[in-house]
Amino acid sequence: GAVVSQHPSRVICKSGTSVKIECRSLDFQATTMFWYRQFPKKSLMLMATSNEGSKATYEQGVEKDKFLINHASLTLSTLTVTSAHPEDSSFYICSARDLGKLFFGSGTQLSVL
Amino acid sequence: AQSVTQLGSHVSVSEGALVLLRCNYSSSVPPYLFWYVQYPNQGLQLLLKYTSAATLVKGINGFEAEFKKSETSFHLTKPSAHMSDAAEYFCAVAGIQGAQKLVFGQGTRLTINP
Repeated sequence: GAVVSQHPSRVICKSGTSVKIECRSLDFQATTMFWYRQFPKKSLMLMATSNEGSKATYEQGVEKDKFLINHASLTLSTLTVTSAHPEDSSFYICSARDLGKLFFGSGTQLSVL
Repeated sequence: AQSVTQLGSHVSVSEGALVLLRCNYSSSVPPYLFWYVQYPNQGLQLLLKYTSAATLVKGINGFEAEFKKSETSFHLTKPSAHMSDAAEYFCAVAGIQGAQKLVFGQGTRLTINP
């Protein structure tokens, strides 16, 4: 099946810094990718839909200036957590659709100190 | 609008015993339902999906789920648990097939006792 690669798998950063997470579709082109956030013992919450060549669509309650999404090519979407704070610590997962199936990246565990 | 409720955040069974993970959904349109599995520090893998064909859906690793419209349920079962089944399981619903947006349940952590 299709492969979605997410990098890095784990990142620790200081409060106030920015962190970029990459999501790549390795063997297919994805005009749309999705970014989810998963809190401990909670479900995945869709943060935004990333559209190639256009602005991302954010879910209600998600700060677009805090979570910057860029989808510059058909195989790459990035999520930048700007001025990260400890409350941004979470597991972030991206996904992309190929031939009607949704494939997920392996996730990024972000820890903000 | 769609929503999913998974009954029981943690289920523990003995190896070889029946696995039953409960999922109830709410949808204003005919639903498409999914079960995903997540192993530690990994992304989600699709176990199976219901897309309005057969109500009993067979998935990978011996799992199956039955769509019951009258009960608005889509419970996941496996006749005999294996140690490797220990993981987090998520039920999800979408409004139309191939819908861009999945709504996930809260997840159920399955523990297998030797």
